Amino acid sequence: TQLLEQSPQFLSIQEGENLTVYCNSSSVFSSLQWYRQEPGEGPVLLVTVVTGGEVKKLKRLTFQFGDARKDSSLHITAAQPGDTGLYLCAGAWNAGNMLTFGGGTRLMVKP
Amino acid sequence: GAGVSQSPSNKVTEKGKDVELRCDPISGHTALYWYRQSLGQGLEFLIYFQGNSAPDKSGLPSDRFSAERTGGSVSTLTIQRTQQEDSAVYLCASSFMREQFFGPGTRLTVL
Repeated sequence: TQLLEQSPQFLSIQEGENLTVYCNSSSVFSSLQWYRQEPGEGPVLLVTVVTGGEVKKLKRLTFQFGDARKDSSLHITAAQPGDTGLYLCAGAWNAGNMLTFGGGTRLMVKP
Repeated sequence: GAGVSQSPSNKVTEKGKDVELRCDPISGHTALYWYRQSLGQGLEFLIYFQGNSAPDKSGLPSDRFSAERTGGSVSTLTIQRTQQEDSAVYLCASSFMREQFFGPGTRLTVL
């Protein structure tokens, strides 16, 4: 069974602070995705990373894929209350579309 | 809209009763997934349909859970003899390539 460990589980910060969420596994991913979920809704895809060492930016969000493709991080710069939500990483271990999700990081950004 | 839809949005049932949850995927998506999410945590994979292939049922927690996908489109997840531990949000997703598009989920409460 492939496991994805996500940390921290909970994060409460003030508006304007920076934060990083981590996603780790002992197995090598073929690809990794980050999703954001708001209450009462399904997760929405933010980004997919495929290549070891890859860095992708989405406005104030920076996603990194580890060189060995076993870990990933999501960094948010100058967090805003609108960033509040549940952030989920999800990894695929083969060329198929099957995903295993991490336990999620619940972020709260206080104004 | 053209997104994934699920019904009902909420279901309250009594312990021991059977329930059926419905998922309408995005038209043309060949893959369909069911997940379970407890208390805003990560997603637990239940079952995966890909085209006309036999479904991957490896995530179903017990033989009380079953799912079918008719005509390669609509899917129904059935839980027989519901138990209180079945209470959760049941999410459906569909995909054509790597990205999974999620429905809003069905919140199931077993009293």
